[in-house]
Amino acid sequence: AQTVTQSQPEMSVQEAETVTLSCTYDTSENNYYLFWYKQPPSRQMILVIRQEAYKQQNATENRFSVNFQKAAKSFSLKISDSQLGDTAMYFCAFMTLGDSSYKLIFGSGTRLLVRP
Amino acid sequence: GAGVSQSPRYKVTKRGQDVALRCDPISGHVSLYWYRQALGQGPEFLTYFNYEAQQDKSGLPNDRFSAERPEGSISTLTIQRTEQRDSAMYRCASSLAGGSTQYFGPGTRLTVL
Repeated sequence: AQTVTQSQPEMSVQEAETVTLSCTYDTSENNYYLFWYKQPPSRQMILVIRQEAYKQQNATENRFSVNFQKAAKSFSLKISDSQLGDTAMYFCAFMTLGDSSYKLIFGSGTRLLVRP
Repeated sequence: GAGVSQSPRYKVTKRGQDVALRCDPISGHVSLYWYRQALGQGPEFLTYFNYEAQQDKSGLPNDRFSAERPEGSISTLTIQRTEQRDSAMYRCASSLAGGSTQYFGPGTRLTVL
């Protein structure tokens, strides 16, 4: 069974600094996608970034970038120049393309607090 | 364009009552998913539709839960004879096709008293 593990329940960072959130996953599949979703206090689920497993280049979206280590099954999120609006719960998620339902499997989340 | 919408946003019901939760996906999205999220946890998959066909219902916890998408657009998740353990946030997501990025609605918070 595929699993996603986020080992940091809570993290804190000073505004304008950089923080890295960890995520590891377990799968025997070779073709899959990885995602980071953000859930602010409003409890919306907002896509932050997506990585295709076949791509060696790490995905970036403005201040957000990932460190994808396929052999280690690791997918960390780096937030640069942290802003107060980054305060949220962050979920790592996995989707296998070998699964006909394309369902997302989520980790338990990391609560990030950005301090002014 | 408009995102995924869900209604109602909040539902309080008494144990034993039936509830119906509605999801209106992004226009043109053929794939639709239902997830359930307990407080402090990540969402868990319930069921998946491709157009009107329910392709996977392996995540539905028991036969009190059912879902439909009769015209390949709006979907309804129905919970019969609700129990307190059904209390959670129910989220709908849609995507252009299977394997595409899923976009989530605001969720329906269900409270069963």
